[in-house]
Amino acid sequence: AQSVTQLGSHVSVSEGALVLLRCNYSSSVPPYLFWYVQYPNQGLQLLLKYTSAATLVKGINGFEAEFKKSETSFHLTKPSAHMSDAAEYFCAVSLTTDSWGKLQFGAGTQVVVTP
Amino acid sequence: NAGVTQTPKFRVLKTGQSMTLLCAQDMNHEYMYWYRQDPGMGLRLIHYSVGEGTTAKGEVPDGYNVSRLKKQNFLLGLESAAPSQTSVYFCASSYLGQRNNEQFFGPGTRLTVL
Repeated sequence: AQSVTQLGSHVSVSEGALVLLRCNYSSSVPPYLFWYVQYPNQGLQLLLKYTSAATLVKGINGFEAEFKKSETSFHLTKPSAHMSDAAEYFCAVSLTTDSWGKLQFGAGTQVVVTP
Repeated sequence: NAGVTQTPKFRVLKTGQSMTLLCAQDMNHEYMYWYRQDPGMGLRLIHYSVGEGTTAKGEVPDGYNVSRLKKQNFLLGLESAAPSQTSVYFCASSYLGQRNNEQFFGPGTRLTVL
């Protein structure tokens, strides 16, 4: 079975500081992994995805994530936080038991950016 | 293009009432999904559809029914609402159900059941 664990339900960062959001996955086959962002009162939008082409994945708004098979991790980073990065972030893994594109989401991490 | 739209945005129901949530997409996507979002639990899949006229159960299907009569629309029904169904509901669609395909999400419907 596939699952995703996000460490830390809330993260507070200062503007200009590093943003690091942790995601660990469990999968019996090579996983496809996603990071989505949800701004207040909006739906989710894709930040980036890992589909085995490259272990370091660059996404929108300056975010990137590194796939580490040995650590079963897919942590999301941004070198310098901006006030507009305040949102909830979800890590997700594509289920492998069928080809219907179903995703298993983590519980989410709420990011607060302080001036 | 409007992308994925959901109707209504907000709704308050009394226990036992019924309602239908409408999801529409204008991207000609084959696959559509209904999720519910609850604090601390991320998004959980309720039902999904792999094409017009076909639906399947997801992780938490009890108490919900769905229909996909037209390719662009995916309806989620609550026949007899319960307080446990208080949640934010999201619809999503994707071009195909391949593992690396992005899902596009609607803005959500906030439902409160009293």
